[in-house]
Amino acid sequence: EAGVTQFPSHSVIEKGQTVTLRCDPISGHDNLYWYRRVMGKEIKFLLHFVKESKQDESGMPNNRFLAERTGGTYSTLKVQPAELEDSGVYFCASSQGRASYEQYFGPGTRLTVT
Amino acid sequence: GNSVTQMEGPVTLSEEAFLTINCTYTATGYPSLFWYVQYPGEGLQLLLKATKADDKGSNKGFEATYRKETTSFHLEKGSVQVSDSAVYFCALSATTDSWGKLQFGAGTQVVVTP
Repeated sequence: EAGVTQFPSHSVIEKGQTVTLRCDPISGHDNLYWYRRVMGKEIKFLLHFVKESKQDESGMPNNRFLAERTGGTYSTLKVQPAELEDSGVYFCASSQGRASYEQYFGPGTRLTVT
Repeated sequence: GNSVTQMEGPVTLSEEAFLTINCTYTATGYPSLFWYVQYPGEGLQLLLKATKADDKGSNKGFEATYRKETTSFHLEKGSVQVSDSAVYFCALSATTDSWGKLQFGAGTQVVVTP
């Protein structure tokens, strides 16, 4: 069974540019989460999809971030325009069922905004 | 609000030494508690979990006990190996959140030398 995959593994962009991160969850997992770790600090929740619907987007920093999950499969997280403080590692995780205790994480996308 | 605090790293120790990583939390009710591990170049993996007070989670020689009275979930291993070198994250899932959203500590890097 394939795990959670993320693309790209690393992205370097200039301030003001746009970047789109992609996450492919484990097949059949309805729950998809995005998290971010900035500058070696704690990993923070961004948002949660249940299938194609946003269940909780309370962690999204501002309206420069847009997440989608068309068809309830893969998800994209777009940052437009990127700012320096958006640099960090973006993790995607998926799980099956409500209140599932185990989330399966992808390797993360390291975003560097210069 | 809920929060997780864990000891700062890096923690450097020799092979076969005893490892303890302290983790304390603040939360209402009875959250579920987790330790995740991130090996170099990989995504986070669930190491162990405990869902109620006095539960002990264990896996791969690691143990942690859910202590409600001290709001702690310290991770221990009696004899570490070089392969245990990784970043360890303590996390909680609040009882009020049945969708499993995780709240993490800042992570503790562990370096085990031969």
